[in-house]
Amino acid sequence: DGGITQSPKYLFRKEGQNVTLSCEQNLNHDAMYWYRQDPGQGLRLIYYSQIVNDFQKGDIAEGYSVSREKKESFPLTVTSAQKNPTAFYLCASSRWDRERVPQHFGDGTRLSIL
Amino acid sequence: QKEVEQNSGPLSVPEGAIASLNCTYSDRGSQSFFWYRQYSGKSPELIMSIYSNGDKEDGRFTAQLNKASQYVSLLIRDSQPSDSATYLCACNSGNTPLVFGKGTRLSVIA
Repeated sequence: DGGITQSPKYLFRKEGQNVTLSCEQNLNHDAMYWYRQDPGQGLRLIYYSQIVNDFQKGDIAEGYSVSREKKESFPLTVTSAQKNPTAFYLCASSRWDRERVPQHFGDGTRLSIL
Repeated sequence: QKEVEQNSGPLSVPEGAIASLNCTYSDRGSQSFFWYRQYSGKSPELIMSIYSNGDKEDGRFTAQLNKASQYVSLLIRDSQPSDSATYLCACNSGNTPLVFGKGTRLSVIA
């Protein structure tokens, strides 16, 4: 089945620790995205990538880092600089056409502070 | 700053009624519009897309677009308790990521 796989489903971070969230897709999509969702809030864009080895900051990139070494993979690292990391993290992917392109989401990773 | 505005709700409707969800957007250049449904604790799921002015129907769902008024809506006919969820409106223009509203929480009362 084609889709987007995020792992782990739940993750706990200790003070001062970096953690990495995995996102893999087998939809042959060019573009991948990371969003953060806080309770009762909408989706806020962290980073996105249109092509391998290139990525752009979204609205709330501070305290996060990404890489795009393979088309299928777009891992997100939550660094110790992100002081309030507790949230629901969603990875999405899409084609990268001029328009008419919906994004499809993985099941998400819920990150909490220990 | 491109913005998408939705009433946060909750919008409560009785079972079998029509639920009407509304969305306005600030970027007049927006060309593509999407509705996602998100159940509590789950990820968003695409349920409708619309690109031209007018109505688009898919089963019990109808999306409506009015570009002159920068307004998008989603109608759910014969609402069921299983429709209770948060509905996210999203739009984009050209090669940009989707801009999402904060969502409207719908509660269908049996």
